[in-house]
Amino acid sequence: DSGVTQTPKHLITATGQRVTLRCSPRSGDLSVYWYQQSLDQGLQFLIQYYNGEERAKGNILERFSAQQFPDLHSELNLSSLELGDSALYFCASKRLDTDITEAFFGQGTRLTVV
Amino acid sequence: GDSVTQMEGPVTLSEEAFLTINCTYTATGYPSLFWYVQYPGEGLQLLLKATKADDKGSNKGFEATYRKETTSFHLEKGSVQVSDSAVYFCALRAGTALIFGKGTTLSVSS
Repeated sequence: DSGVTQTPKHLITATGQRVTLRCSPRSGDLSVYWYQQSLDQGLQFLIQYYNGEERAKGNILERFSAQQFPDLHSELNLSSLELGDSALYFCASKRLDTDITEAFFGQGTRLTVV
Repeated sequence: GDSVTQMEGPVTLSEEAFLTINCTYTATGYPSLFWYVQYPGEGLQLLLKATKADDKGSNKGFEATYRKETTSFHLEKGSVQVSDSAVYFCALRAGTALIFGKGTTLSVSS
């Protein structure tokens, strides 16, 4: 158990809908990262938050947004969903954003858009 | 930009066989390098890491050496087990995020 909790584990929704994925980082970790894992693109970095502030952006679509709350949990919001958004979404956390310690990953939320 | 290339799978081996999964990278400077493993139905777990040239990371019988001259970080294990069946990802640290290779599926049969 990595200590990173993601909910829900599975989500099935229709095209055009909006969903929210939740991530609770390990206790004390200030950095949260979101990744998307799809068959065609592999593992892609979406966005990073550090202590409530957006720190880095990767290949995140404009239809997607994220935030990190004062209690350090994070939510990834996906809107106007398309079939191609079906993927496994991982959250990872680290204590800081400048150290070189490894990130700890949650088990992921599998999103299926039908 | 920074990138990681790893050998395509799947890799199918018999128990106790020798494993090599190739990984090369393109990056500015000398990034930290990682191998992550994803067991079926689970999230990624850090397997090993190396932070500078010639460092050797090792864990659970797996090893990888950071080769600056060949920009490589190949994963090896002398004798694989059925329980090693998983997807293996090579990654480098770019800024504060990780850039992953596409993953290599390893299947070990008894």
